[in-house]
Amino acid sequence: QVQLQESGPGLVKPSQTLSLTCTVSGGSISSGSYYWSWIRQPAGKGLEWIGRIYTSGSTNYNPSLKSRVTISVDTSKNQFSLKLSSVTAADTAVYYCARDFTPVTGPGDYFDYWGQGTLVTVSS
Amino acid sequence: EIVLTQSPATLSLSPGERATLSCRASQSVSSYLAWYQQKPGQAPRLLIYDASNRATGIPARFSGSGSGTDFTLTISSLEPEDFAVYYCQQRSNWPLGTFGGGTKVEIK
Repeated sequence: QVQLQESGPGLVKPSQTLSLTCTVSGGSISSGSYYWSWIRQPAGKGLEWIGRIYTSGSTNYNPSLKSRVTISVDTSKNQFSLKLSSVTAADTAVYYCARDFTPVTGPGDYFDYWGQGTLVTVSS
Repeated sequence: EIVLTQSPATLSLSPGERATLSCRASQSVSSYLAWYQQKPGQAPRLLIYDASNRATGIPARFSGSGSGTDFTLTISSLEPEDFAVYYCQQRSNWPLGTFGGGTKVEIK
């Protein structure tokens, strides 16, 4: 059973960089043909996909965040990471990491395994 | 960007009743739509993918239908554990897979 766990600071100052890591257990991050994503959810609001990475290092980002987002992978540690620069209060949210699920046919992905989420608050 | 509009925002029902949730896309997403369930303090859980396929381990009381722009999630008989928020998500306009705003199913 694949499990994901987010980790990182729960408080980030405005204009600084938010950094989170997702550790995958129960299987190698490199096994299978999976993308790995970051998704966030402001309190009481809906879900926003941030971006994804393949174990080769190939990435895709939400155009609305692309200029501020970097996702990287460390296969030796079975981890992938998120960096979001120049944060503001609008970036306060629960951040989830997730495994992409790609049915055999068609474009794009859904998300079949999720971490429990970690709250990141942007405040001075 | 494809916008997904869910209705109603809140559905008040009793255990044992049938729940019908709607998700409407601003343009066709073919059948590339999923439904998730989210309980307070938990991550979303994939229920249905590609409009009508139940994910692994999902009970048969959950069913999905629709194509193009109009989709429905039906819970045939609500169990106490089904009271939660439900989100739809499309994968047609990838890599920007947008989510709907959610429908809360609450106990009447």
